[in-house]
Amino acid sequence: GQQVMQIPQYQHVQEGEDFTTYCNSSTTLSNIQWYKQRPGGHPVFLIQLVKSGEVKKQKRLTFQFGEAKKNSSLHITATQTTDVGTYFCAATMNKLVFGAGTILRVKS
Amino acid sequence: GAGVSQSPSNKVTEKGKDVELRCDPISGHTALYWYRQSLGQGLEFLIYFQGNSAPDKSGLPSDRFSAERTGGSVSTLTIQRTQQEDSAVYLCASSRTGLNTEAFFGQGTRLTVV
Repeated sequence: GQQVMQIPQYQHVQEGEDFTTYCNSSTTLSNIQWYKQRPGGHPVFLIQLVKSGEVKKQKRLTFQFGEAKKNSSLHITATQTTDVGTYFCAATMNKLVFGAGTILRVKS
Repeated sequence: GAGVSQSPSNKVTEKGKDVELRCDPISGHTALYWYRQSLGQGLEFLIYFQGNSAPDKSGLPSDRFSAERTGGSVSTLTIQRTQQEDSAVYLCASSRTGLNTEAFFGQGTRLTVV
């Protein structure tokens, strides 16, 4: 079925290090959304990207949408313990399909 | 209400019993989604409503699962003859106009089948 591949599955970083998660699709996407789920919580919307090659920033978070609109990335600069959680990408494929998520752990 | 509300928050049921999970979306939101999340896993798509109709029911795991939405608002997910593998957190989300708008999630219903 239609799916969105997300890597890596887990990432443990030292506080202050950078973190990146990647999302890939075999088909062209109309848009891509990113969500964060804190441990024990529910997914919370972060951002939506629509345009080819789009780059958006939210403080230490940088989101990119590929030129071919088949891939996307979320990069966190200088991670903090508050960044801990699972980051999901989600794409519209006649329904809202989520990637498997990347679990981020930050060691202080 | 201010957000998506799900009830009950926790449900423990015996294998073979039926359960009904409820979702109250944000007022005015036309799109509503149900997902299932097992411990430490991703979000498994179950069903999507646009208004009262369900354009995509492909994610329902078996014919024991059904969902409806009435009045373009409240939705119920029913699981008949529950099995242990049905144990998971069931998440509901709503969005203002459809697939290309931000989805707001409820806190989920944690279902345990014993």
